[in-house]
Amino acid sequence: GEEVAQTPKHLVRGEGQKAKLYCAPIKGHSYVFWYQQVLKNEFKFLISFQNENVFDETGMPKERFSAKCLPNSPCSLEIQATKLEDSAVYFCASSKSLQGRVTDTQYFGPGTRLTVL
Amino acid sequence: QKEVEQNSGPLSVPEGAIASLNCTYSDRGSQSFFWYRQYSGKSPELIMSIYSNGDKEDGRFTAQLNKASQYVSLLIRDSQPSDSATYLCAVSNAGNNRKLIWGLGTSLAVNP
Repeated sequence: GEEVAQTPKHLVRGEGQKAKLYCAPIKGHSYVFWYQQVLKNEFKFLISFQNENVFDETGMPKERFSAKCLPNSPCSLEIQATKLEDSAVYFCASSKSLQGRVTDTQYFGPGTRLTVL
Repeated sequence: QKEVEQNSGPLSVPEGAIASLNCTYSDRGSQSFFWYRQYSGKSPELIMSIYSNGDKEDGRFTAQLNKASQYVSLLIRDSQPSDSATYLCAVSNAGNNRKLIWGLGTSLAVNP
């Protein structure tokens, strides 16, 4: 599609429950990035993919967070055993390519608001 | 010290005035610089990207980059009430796998 799509828009989970978020990048974009935005606008990088391969996972809290981008399927971000501090908006972004020294523009989806009670 | 710093604001300007937003960054290897606008409850929307020292103009928006001073700014001319939003500065480089490093944003209010 022409836009990054994210589902669901809102997700409410009790502490300890699992949460799974989905992202479909713009058609033709090879790179997918996940960011977490908590209060006070703070964006935190989580993980990026080049097609179905993990490109950079340095931001992932590995104990409870996992992510995949499989061929012909939306990418997913899964949080096992959610905690209160996981409450945030999770944004997915895609970009066409990473050329040379320049970082291509990342286009953002509408986000998934996760509330952990 | 945060990697990307912005004044949180709020920055308040009258309609029709020039709004000036500033951003400093600590990583000298940074190569790509972005200004995103984010309305409350919405996703970030790209306003400008800049990669070379100097000015880049697009309509009412001008981005200015000074790598020696590690400083990037955004000027909004003829500010409109619809420009009222949070403006986020984001920085990237090939050495950190192109992930965006974000400032906390500057809240801009344009008063009619």
